Amino acid sequence: QKEVEQDPGPLSVPEGAIVSLNCTYSNSAFQYFMWYRQYSRKGPELLMYTYSSGNKEDGRFTAQVDKSSKYISLFIRDSQPSDSATYLCAIGEYGNKLVFGAGTILRVKS
Amino acid sequence: NAGVMQNPRHLVRRRGQEARLRCSPMKGHSHVYWYRQLPEEGLKFMVYLQKENIIDESGMPKERFSAEFPKEGPSILRIQQVVRGDSAAYFCASSPLIKGTTYEQYFGPGTRLTVT
Repeated sequence: QKEVEQDPGPLSVPEGAIVSLNCTYSNSAFQYFMWYRQYSRKGPELLMYTYSSGNKEDGRFTAQVDKSSKYISLFIRDSQPSDSATYLCAIGEYGNKLVFGAGTILRVKS
Repeated sequence: NAGVMQNPRHLVRRRGQEARLRCSPMKGHSHVYWYRQLPEEGLKFMVYLQKENIIDESGMPKERFSAEFPKEGPSILRIQQVVRGDSAAYFCASSPLIKGTTYEQYFGPGTRLTVT
């Protein structure tokens, strides 16, 4: 079993839709949770990070963590064609390496 | 504030040559991580360094790979006697890592290594 599971997609949605991206993890020692966006042949760009269960909102993005279920989500409201990219969840222990999901390819159609 | 810088952005090496990849962390960051992204695969941790110290190298192949982060200058990932399987994108990330508050890692643009 992988430490972090993420559906690779691709996920195709119309412009303006709400997008839900999800990951599950197996190691209860993981304590912090991040979402990155990666455009083709570019470096990962940090979108959201959180260290606790609950919701964190930043503009059109909401990160949600449920430690009891070992489940994290990223919601994108009013999706735009420019949101088309690969979204990576990354989970880690304090001060340690990040373990990445495989990434979900998102395509937003105009 | 400049982001994480990596060079070269593209590197072509013949089998058996050495590859040196450089990473300068963000200003104020003293923790550096190297990750590798193989074609059609996710990012995999390789090594975590602080100035003059290797903290965790559990993801590094046992042979041919080494990393350093000297007191002065960039962090270096060195691959000796490269093979075709080393072809990948190598990313460096840096973190301020202030215990109790800040653990996020910021990535550079990557070095794409091609072994011919």
